[in-house]
Amino acid sequence: DAGITQSPRHKVTETGTPVTLRCHQTENHRYMYWYRQDPGHGLRLIHYSYGVKDTDKGEVSDGYSVSRSKTEDFLLTLESATSSQTSVYFCAIREEGLAGYEQYFGPGTRLTVT
Amino acid sequence: GQQLNQSPQSMFIQEGEDVSMNCTSSSIFNTWLWYKQEPGEGPVLLIALYKAGELTSNGRLTAQFGITRKDSFLNISASIPSDVGIYFCAGSNFGNEKLTFGTGTRLTIIP
Repeated sequence: DAGITQSPRHKVTETGTPVTLRCHQTENHRYMYWYRQDPGHGLRLIHYSYGVKDTDKGEVSDGYSVSRSKTEDFLLTLESATSSQTSVYFCAIREEGLAGYEQYFGPGTRLTVT
Repeated sequence: GQQLNQSPQSMFIQEGEDVSMNCTSSSIFNTWLWYKQEPGEGPVLLIALYKAGELTSNGRLTAQFGITRKDSFLNISASIPSDVGIYFCAGSNFGNEKLTFGTGTRLTIIP
């Protein structure tokens, strides 16, 4: 257990509304990631963070923004939700393993945009 | 973005059978990770591999880092009902903060 929680776990929202998903970790990990998972596409990286206020884009960043004002929290915002953003969103942290780096995932947030 | 090729895409086996799946890439990796995901949950790390040729076990699971560094294999011996789920491979390189994921192998156990 890497001490990762995500909130909310489920959300239904309407097209055009802003949505913020929160990822919280308790173990002071420097790297945090946001992924989305869709049938047929597997896990795709949206944004990641390598420290407080340090973030970078992943492969599917359009329509998403992130913020990290504290080490423990990484927020994902959909400024104006669209139906194509209906997905399951996972947060992950990077931890140093025996001889390299490993990522550990949170429980996910299921987002439905109607 | 690049995805790793996993095969088979799905498997239907009987309880007690052994399972083999693999993951291939067009580029080399320095780290291979294997995850399992159950419905409604996040992926859980099963095994991490860091060296070409390395063979690592976790209970009934055994994974190997291919010597070409472009592939990895996962075996499950004597499958049980709780092995049901989707198994993902992922690769990364030193200095790269990102993982490249496989497309997943869905394991179903027939009663």
